[in-house]
Amino acid sequence: EIVLTQSPATLSLSPGERATLSCRASQSVGTYLAWYQQKPGQAPRLLIYDASNRATGIPARFSGSGSGTDFTLTISSLEPEDFAVYYCHQRSNWPITFGQGTRLEIK
Amino acid sequence: EVQLLESGGGLVQPGGSLRLSCAASGFTFNNNGMSWVRQAPGGGLEWVSTISHIGSTKYADSVKGRFTISRDNSNNTLYLQMNSLRLEDTAVYYCAKGTIASAIDPWGQGTLVIVSS
Repeated sequence: EIVLTQSPATLSLSPGERATLSCRASQSVGTYLAWYQQKPGQAPRLLIYDASNRATGIPARFSGSGSGTDFTLTISSLEPEDFAVYYCHQRSNWPITFGQGTRLEIK
Repeated sequence: EVQLLESGGGLVQPGGSLRLSCAASGFTFNNNGMSWVRQAPGGGLEWVSTISHIGSTKYADSVKGRFTISRDNSNNTLYLQMNSLRLEDTAVYYCAKGTIASAIDPWGQGTLVIVSS
């Protein structure tokens, strides 16, 4: 099973700041890595697929990079609505797995 | 617009059974693989099961032999039959479009399953 480790567990930033979230895979997943945003009481929403492609309707301040085992989600300038939990997810191998999440909170 | 609407959740005793349903609309259901993903209270996301558009299935080890995923393409509905339920199966269960071949998106709003005596 491919284990995805996200860091940090919690990130405290202010609106307008830049956020950098990391996801490391226990073995290569190529570029089969996605990022999701989840707000309380809501289902996850796809932000980035295949490592660097923004999903439909996702603002340009969200970007993804990486390949192999190391991936990054960057939010260039935080908006109030961006404070949420973020999960990475790999679909390179069965079983499909998710990271444990990074909580992005307002400082 | 793609819509996924889960139903069937509720309170069940350990060892009991429950069947979840997911009504799909807004896309060609029989051309797409579908998945179930769950989230324990306060926890992260855990993939449960996937069924391809042609009916091949995959299961997480934690549910293999207890859960069965199926689909009714004539009614655009996905199912998850859950037997021998355990306390640790307590979670919100999400239905989602997608499999290992594509990003899992979108997701339904989820249905809560509580296993408790």
